Amino acid sequence: GDSVTQKQGQVTLSEDDFLFINCTYSTTTYPTLFWYVQYPGQGPQLLLKVTTANNKGISRGFEATYDKGTTSFHLQKASVQESDSAVYFCALAEWGAGGYKVVFGSGTRLLVSP
Amino acid sequence: EAAVTQSPRNKVTVTGGNVTLSCRQTNSHNYMYWYRQDTGHGLRLIHYSYGAGNLQIGDVPDGYKATRTTQEDFFLLLELASPSQTSLYFCASSPDWGGDTQYFGPGTRLLVL
Repeated sequence: GDSVTQKQGQVTLSEDDFLFINCTYSTTTYPTLFWYVQYPGQGPQLLLKVTTANNKGISRGFEATYDKGTTSFHLQKASVQESDSAVYFCALAEWGAGGYKVVFGSGTRLLVSP
Repeated sequence: EAAVTQSPRNKVTVTGGNVTLSCRQTNSHNYMYWYRQDTGHGLRLIHYSYGAGNLQIGDVPDGYKATRTTQEDFFLLLELASPSQTSLYFCASSPDWGGDTQYFGPGTRLLVL
């Protein structure tokens, strides 16, 4: 079945470090892909959204590229700040035979120290 | 900005108890969703709806019912709660289907003893 894999459960960085969060997906279609961010005590909120029509999403210094060849949608940021500490979820959404389907990855917790 | 509210924010019940979680969105979005969030699993879709009176089954529906009474209100019902349903529950809404941006509420933490 469809799946989204985030291998990193936690990433620990210092301010101004480069961020890379791995996300790969498995599906037979070309879904819409998302990165959501969840700050402590809050619900997730959209960070990036990319469809098959636009290969790259950029927001608040974060970027992710939709790579159909490697079925990856990694999240990157050149220089993280302490305020970026949060949980990041990769997700896909698509219509299938059984109707609408959305699959979230297990999340990657980012801890940034000053 | 879309506003999604949930109540209660915290709930404790006993095994076999009856629980109703409420969600209201004030931006006239067509789609509403219920998710559960558990460590190691991310968010998993329980049920969703594309309008008042409509209900669609998600990926983990067992033990849950849901009802969309109005455009704004979506309820999640646990009629015989079990400890396995201890979780953090999120409601979300979107203007159109799930390929659209979803706006999440603040969550309800449920503990089933």
